[in-house]
Amino acid sequence: DAKTTQPPSMDCAEGRAANLPCNHSTISGNEYVYWYRQIHSQGPQYIIHGLKNNETNEMASLIITEDRKSSTLILPHATLRDTAVYYCIPPSNTGKLIFGQGTTLQVKP
Amino acid sequence: EAQVTQNPRYLITVTGKKLTVTCSQNMNHEYMSWYRQDPGLGLRQIYYSMNVEVTDKGDVPEGYKVSRKEKRNFPLILESPSPNQTSLYFCASSFGRSSYEQYFGPGTRLTVT
Repeated sequence: DAKTTQPPSMDCAEGRAANLPCNHSTISGNEYVYWYRQIHSQGPQYIIHGLKNNETNEMASLIITEDRKSSTLILPHATLRDTAVYYCIPPSNTGKLIFGQGTTLQVKP
Repeated sequence: EAQVTQNPRYLITVTGKKLTVTCSQNMNHEYMSWYRQDPGLGLRQIYYSMNVEVTDKGDVPEGYKVSRKEKRNFPLILESPSPNQTSLYFCASSFGRSSYEQYFGPGTRLTVT
């Protein structure tokens, strides 16, 4: 299975952009990277996914480097409700989501 | 409303007493799976099912059974629970194994004494 690497924790001021990095140098050229988050022991929630191009939806933006070795999830205007653990998830051929330790994002007032 | 439901949400039981955690989805999803979450170990897949009557082991299947007799339901069975199965359990579903978006249930917190 491919692997991803994320910083264990980050802080962000409320209203500012939160930029969460992920290294996924082992993902091959035609594999997606997925982002999920988990708010305090609730079920994980899908955020966004991407392959090559930058992606944006109502929750976040995903910037993928040209060499596809890393990506950054951007929450443009973080709120206190965005405090959660964010997971950058590599693909698997069984549908299994490989949750690492993720990045704990603390949004502060 | 599209959702995955789990029951019970909380359960305290004793070693060896068989229990079933139910999971149901109303989205006509083919793919369903179970995860457990433990401090320091993250979420790990227990079993998954690609369709009715098709199930397979995930990373930590020991001590668990599953069945998929209907598309919407995917119960997790602990025939003889032990304290090391104390955990937070999540059921998830999606249209297929390649679907980018999986929907998770609210979780079942199980304590085995």
